[in-house]
Amino acid sequence: GAGVSQTPSNKVTEKGKYVELRCDPISGHTALYWYRQSLGQGPEFLIYFQGTGAADDSGLPNDRFFAVRPEGSVSTLKIQRTERGDSAVYLCASSLTSKDTQYFGPGTRLTVL
Amino acid sequence: SQQGEEDPQALSIQEGENATMNCSYKTSINNLQWYRQNSGRGLVHLILIRSNEREKHSGRLRVTLDTSKKSSSLLITASRAADTASYFCATDGGATNKLIFGTGTLLAVQP
Repeated sequence: GAGVSQTPSNKVTEKGKYVELRCDPISGHTALYWYRQSLGQGPEFLIYFQGTGAADDSGLPNDRFFAVRPEGSVSTLKIQRTERGDSAVYLCASSLTSKDTQYFGPGTRLTVL
Repeated sequence: SQQGEEDPQALSIQEGENATMNCSYKTSINNLQWYRQNSGRGLVHLILIRSNEREKHSGRLRVTLDTSKKSSSLLITASRAADTASYFCATDGGATNKLIFGTGTLLAVQP
């Protein structure tokens, strides 16, 4: 079946702009996660959704970052007033339940000029 | 923040040789997982070992876990050029809602 998909695959924006990154999880997966990976580092947790609700957003770096999952499927990560330090690969993962294996999408490479 | 360290940071071997990567972590865990990542993009799940297991095999992969030392190792036997990738360990930090990744080992298998 189809895996996790993310769009766009690449996003280049200017400092101060607003961006939205989209994640389509595997159908039927109730848990959805966002991670951020900087160059040469492992992924770092941002936020976890169980269904429609953000059950853990402790990894969001500041209030410029926000994510939604209004119907319990597709999720959008929103970044306001982007900064050069936000440049990274943003990875989305989903799992059947929070106790199951997480399957990752290909990521969105965000570059803030 | 990262959970721990992986060792070595980079490893270069010849095709057919075995590759061993080590991972150390900091907190108690329910399970530890290994992922592979090609070209800095999506991660592929390789294997999961639970905290009450000491060793697990999957094809050419062998994972060990020592919870007393908070460490794990991944052995890839009879390596192939296609195994060239970054390998990450990830723990659940005792919770179930997120993964905490190590810094990764970059493996290069020379044909």
